[in-house]
Amino acid sequence: EVQLVESGGTLVQSGGSLRLSCAASGFTFSDHHMDWVRRAPGKGLEWVGRIRNKANSYTTEYAASVKGRFIILRDDSKNSLYLQMNSLKTEDTAVYYCTNLISDYWGQGTLVTVSS
Amino acid sequence: DIQMTQSPSTVSTSVGDRVTITCRASQDITNYLAWFQQKPGKAPKRLIYAASSLQSGVPSRFSGSGSGTEFTLTISSLQPEDFATYYCLQHNNYPRTFGQGTKLEIK
Repeated sequence: EVQLVESGGTLVQSGGSLRLSCAASGFTFSDHHMDWVRRAPGKGLEWVGRIRNKANSYTTEYAASVKGRFIILRDDSKNSLYLQMNSLKTEDTAVYYCTNLISDYWGQGTLVTVSS
Repeated sequence: DIQMTQSPSTVSTSVGDRVTITCRASQDITNYLAWFQQKPGKAPKRLIYAASSLQSGVPSRFSGSGSGTEFTLTISSLQPEDFATYYCLQHNNYPRTFGQGTKLEIK
């Protein structure tokens, strides 16, 4: 059974940093590109970014709203995906989902709240 | 960036009704479009990929059509479990972009 389990969401002050983690199991994590998607309260889904697999040199893509502030990382030896969030803003408040959009694998989401 | 304009934003509808949701892309995305359903407190679930292919396990009352810049999701006969929010997603270009969402409400 495929599982993606996010952790690390919490309350953080504006300007602060936070790292989210996603533990993957049930599929060959290292073969797959992985994404982060978020949903702010009362808003729709927003794609945050992607990290490709080793065969594609672990290259990354980001939404304009997070580029330069967020970094997506992965550790294939630990079957883990990470989202390093820096210079957080109140508008980054959202539930963050770890996902393999290509295969439609999703975690349950973790809530990040950024206070002013 | 490609803008995805989804309409309507809300639909008040009843069990048994036929519902159509539209997404318009700001440029040609061929068929690189997916449709997702999201229920409160749950992760999104893909219903349709490649604009018109039904995801395995998804009921046949869901269908997708379109190519280029105009796409539709149709639910042929609404069931109680279909009251949720629906999103389109283009994956032709980066950044990936979702439509604004369509919430189906019980009339």
